[in-house]
Amino acid sequence: DAGVTQSPTHLIKTRGQQVTLRCSPKSGHDTVSWYQQALGQGPQFIFQYYEEEERQRGNFPDRFSGHQFPNYSSELNVNALLLGDSALYLCASSLMTGSGELFFGEGSRLTVL
Amino acid sequence: QKEVEQNSGPLSVPEGAIASLNCTYSDRGSQSFFWYRQYSGKSPELIMFIYSNGDKEDGRFTAQLNKASQYVSLLIRDSQPSDSATYLCHTGGFKTIFGAGTRLFVKA
Repeated sequence: DAGVTQSPTHLIKTRGQQVTLRCSPKSGHDTVSWYQQALGQGPQFIFQYYEEEERQRGNFPDRFSGHQFPNYSSELNVNALLLGDSALYLCASSLMTGSGELFFGEGSRLTVL
Repeated sequence: QKEVEQNSGPLSVPEGAIASLNCTYSDRGSQSFFWYRQYSGKSPELIMFIYSNGDKEDGRFTAQLNKASQYVSLLIRDSQPSDSATYLCHTGGFKTIFGAGTRLFVKA
């Protein structure tokens, strides 16, 4: 049973560029949440997708957008990258009708130069 | 006031001791509470969750919830060096808010 997979694992971009991160949820899960985790901080909620719609959103600007596909996989897009966007981006999958337990992927480490 | 607050630590305990980690939350409507462990450079993994007031035990771990006082704690008995990690408190529900985490060091 495959867990949550994310790609790429590491990437380096320059300011002003755009990036797309990808996530495949754990088998049987229907909900994908994205988090940004800066060094030494807890994960900050970006948004959650369910039934191909953004259901909830944290305090992130519109430069952060996402998508969920019919197979439940998801993408996180960040436009006009800033130095402060450098962080570990975590994808977590869950079951909307489940206990609320989140299963995390290994993350995508983004460095903006 | 932050929605979920944790002491950032570091909390240092000797091997074999009890480590006590605490978390307070502001949303009285929160119904479920989760503790995750995160090793350096790795993603969080669930330790346990609790819904009801009182204690819930799972092996060396005990979660305690007090909804009236709006806090949840995690006790780790017989702490081992392998328990050294950051422990994240998380409220379930609408926006799944995480605390900043408490760093625990268990000294051999």
